[in-house]
Amino acid sequence: NAGVTQTPKFQVLKTGQSMTLQCAQDMNHEYMSWYRQDPGMGLRLIHYSVGAGITDQGEVPNGYNVSRSTTEDFPLRLLSAAPSQTSVYFCASSSPLYYGYTFGSGTRLTVV
Amino acid sequence: GDSVTQMEGPVTLSEEAFLTINCTYTATGYPSLFWYVQYPGEGLQLLLKATKADDKGSNKGFEATYRKETTSFHLEKGSVQVSDSAVYFCALSYFAGGTSYGKLTFGQGTILTVHP
Repeated sequence: NAGVTQTPKFQVLKTGQSMTLQCAQDMNHEYMSWYRQDPGMGLRLIHYSVGAGITDQGEVPNGYNVSRSTTEDFPLRLLSAAPSQTSVYFCASSSPLYYGYTFGSGTRLTVV
Repeated sequence: GDSVTQMEGPVTLSEEAFLTINCTYTATGYPSLFWYVQYPGEGLQLLLKATKADDKGSNKGFEATYRKETTSFHLEKGSVQVSDSAVYFCALSYFAGGTSYGKLTFGQGTILTVHP
């Protein structure tokens, strides 16, 4: 039982490059969400999804894109990376039957 | 909108001291409340949760009670250990109904350091 798997664990990008952070869960959870963690800022919600085909913006969505074509996967796309997107990114999943969130181990992204 | 406020940190304690980390929330409905812990260099782990008023969550010697009248969910532990050094996050979420379910709202986190 893998839980929530995030890849890659570390990534360095140049300004203007694009990339996709992957998130997959094997618990058949309906809800999935992306957060970024910055020093002194706690965790802030980027985008979330309550089911396949349904996504919505969180607190800090600018510069990020998501889609949810399957229950298992919820990739986060950076279309044109900026230094302000240097952060640690966490993906989480949950279900109304579980009343809790399971987090991935995170992706540490540096944009230079 | 919903929000979570945690006590200012960092908190520094000696081993076996009593711990309290205050958490208050503002909510438009009746959320579930959580404490998550993040050890150095790691991801977030669920420490405890409470899904309705007056519920008490407990785990690893930590406790928190969902107090609707004071909109609080304070974290307590009677005797901390060096291994409890970590960042602690209070959070809320809804799981069905309305337009705010499926996501967590976090407090800013409290850094706890425990010295031998």
